[in-house]
Amino acid sequence: NAGVTQTPKFQVLKTGQSMTLQCAQDMNHNSMYWYRQDPGMGLRLIYYSASEGTTDKGEVPNGYNVSRLNKREFSLRLESAAPSQTSVYFCASSYISNQPQHFGDGTRLSIL
Amino acid sequence: AQSVTQLGSHVSVSEGALVLLRCNYSSSVPPYLFWYVQYPNQGLQLLLKYTTGATLVKGINGFEAEFKKSETSFHLTKPSAHMSDAAEYFCAVSEGGTASKLTFGTGTRLQVTL
Repeated sequence: NAGVTQTPKFQVLKTGQSMTLQCAQDMNHNSMYWYRQDPGMGLRLIYYSASEGTTDKGEVPNGYNVSRLNKREFSLRLESAAPSQTSVYFCASSYISNQPQHFGDGTRLSIL
Repeated sequence: AQSVTQLGSHVSVSEGALVLLRCNYSSSVPPYLFWYVQYPNQGLQLLLKYTTGATLVKGINGFEAEFKKSETSFHLTKPSAHMSDAAEYFCAVSEGGTASKLTFGTGTRLQVTL
């Protein structure tokens, strides 16, 4: 029972580097989400995909792009990393948008 | 627009004492409400949810929450705290439509002392 799998678990980047965070779910969920978690700020939605083939901006999309590769996979890309993007990133999925979300264990990203 | 306010970023209780974590929400339509728990270095796990129907909702690990529309509240309680309850707890609101999204509160860290 893998649920939501995120890779990598940890990453250190230099300012200006790019990278892609990977997320895959095996629960046949239609909706997928990317959040960032910062101390004292809760979880903030970066992008989401209500269904395969669609993506929409969340609360804090600047500096990020996403790809819904297929029903299982939803990736998050940082094109030119900035120190302000140091955070813990969580991927989540749900059967449909108004149903409870299942979360991965997160990717801890540090940008120097 | 929907929003969530969690009163108290840190709550400390003694083992065996009542746990009360407060959550107030704002929503322009009847809300869906959720409580999640996060243990260190892990993702969030669903504790309980309210969508429609009975306003007192029971969840996992002995937690429950009551939806009070008149007070726009959804406080989380547990009669007797256990050391294993130490974690961060997040309240979240959704407006329930098929295209809706969750809005999370800023979280409450629960400490349980002997």
